[in-house]
Amino acid sequence: NAGVTQTPKFQVLKTGQSMTLQCAQDMNHEYMSWYRQDPGMGLRLIHYSVGAGITDQGEVPNGYNVSRSTTEDFPLRLLSAAPSQTSVYFCASSSQGWETQYFGPGTRLLVL
Amino acid sequence: AQSVTQPDIHITVSEGASLELRCNYSYGATPYLFWYVQSPGQGLQLLLKYFSGDTLVQGIKGFEAEFKRSQSSFNLRKPSVHWSDAAEYFCAVGAGGNEKLTFGTGTRLTIIP
Repeated sequence: NAGVTQTPKFQVLKTGQSMTLQCAQDMNHEYMSWYRQDPGMGLRLIHYSVGAGITDQGEVPNGYNVSRSTTEDFPLRLLSAAPSQTSVYFCASSSQGWETQYFGPGTRLLVL
Repeated sequence: AQSVTQPDIHITVSEGASLELRCNYSYGATPYLFWYVQSPGQGLQLLLKYFSGDTLVQGIKGFEAEFKRSQSSFNLRKPSVHWSDAAEYFCAVGAGGNEKLTFGTGTRLTIIP
C-alpha cells in the first residue's frame, strides 16, 4: 500500500512551458485534491475532485487544469508556466469528505 | 467565511521542555478542527482532529489539543518535546462533509539540545 504518490519530486521549467504533475493513490479514495504551498501562505487549494469524472475549482485555480478519469489518478496540468507558479505542490486524498486527508510527498516546481 | 490564524511563525523550544502551539479560528458554527505536521521534505500528516464531544483530544506522537469555544482556539500541546518533533505544524478548520478545509499559515518548530 503506497498511499499517495507524486511525480516528479522536482522540476525546473521555463516560462511558457507546459507540464503535468502526476498524483496517484491506491486507497480507493473518492476525494482528491491539489494544494500549493508558498512561504507564509500555508496551503491553498487549487482544484479538487469528489469522484471519477467530477472536478471543481478551489481557491487558486487560474493557470491549472485537472481531470479525473479514474479513481486512482488525479493529474494537474500547467498550461503555460509562469514564475508565479513556482511553489511546492501537494496532492491529497480522503475517503469521505475532507475530514482526514492523506498527503503525498510533494513536487517542488521552479519556473524560470 | 472560515479562517485560521496561527500567530507564531517560528518557535524554538529546548528538548524535553513543554510545547504549546496556538491556533485561533473563525467559523459560525461548531467547526471541525485539525492539526497536521510536516517534517522537512515530507507531505503533511494528520496529528489529531476534533469533531465533537470531549474538548481535549489525543493524537499521535504524544500530542494533544484542547478546543475552547469561548476563545475560538484549538491549541496544540506536548508535555516534553523530542528532537524529532522539529517540523512545521498546520492548524486547519472545516465544516465537515463536503466543506473544504482552510489551513493556517503554519508554525515552524525548532528544537535545541
